[in-house]
Amino acid sequence: DSGVTQTPKHLITATGQRVTLRCSPRSGDLSVYWYQQSLDQGLQFLIQYYNGEERAKGNILERFSAQQFPDLHSELNLSSLELGDSALYFCASSHAPRETQYFGPGTRLLVL
Amino acid sequence: AQKITQTQPGMFVQEKEAVTLDCTYDTSDPSYGLFWYKQPSSGEMIFLIYQGSYDQQNATEGRYSLNFQKARKSANLVISASQLGDSAMYFCAMRDPEETSGSRLTFGEGTQLTVNP
Repeated sequence: DSGVTQTPKHLITATGQRVTLRCSPRSGDLSVYWYQQSLDQGLQFLIQYYNGEERAKGNILERFSAQQFPDLHSELNLSSLELGDSALYFCASSHAPRETQYFGPGTRLLVL
Repeated sequence: AQKITQTQPGMFVQEKEAVTLDCTYDTSDPSYGLFWYKQPSSGEMIFLIYQGSYDQQNATEGRYSLNFQKARKSANLVISASQLGDSAMYFCAMRDPEETSGSRLTFGEGTQLTVNP
């Protein structure tokens, strides 16, 4: 157990819908990262927050947004969902940006 | 841009034997970090080992060691005394220098390791 929690574990929804994925970092970790793992694209970085502020952005679609709250938990919002958004979404956390990232169990999203 | 290459889509090893999983990387930055993660069939990503570009010695963590050859830009993972529970997908990853693009991880394609009894 990495200490990073993600909810829900599984999510099945329809095209065009909006979902919110939640992540609680390890105790004391200030940095949160979101990654997407799909069969065709592999593991891809989406976005990073540090102590509530956006720190770096990857190839995150405009339909996707995220934020980190004062209690350091983070949410990833996916809207206007398409079939191609089906993937395993990971949250990771680290105490500081240059330290080891520990991953949560992931949220498996299936868009039908 | 940073790039990680894992050329072995699948590897097989006998239980109790050692196995080496290959990883090469490409970067123009002098400061970088290299990681290995394990992903069992259940899906979670488990951190195994880390090597910093300025570390003088190869990293070791229990049965895992990292064969770091800076001049060849390779960071191979060595698993000694393989166990059935080592069967999983293994990913090599590089951390971007924070100064330029945060500290995202760039992952390779992964190597599926199967340990045979």
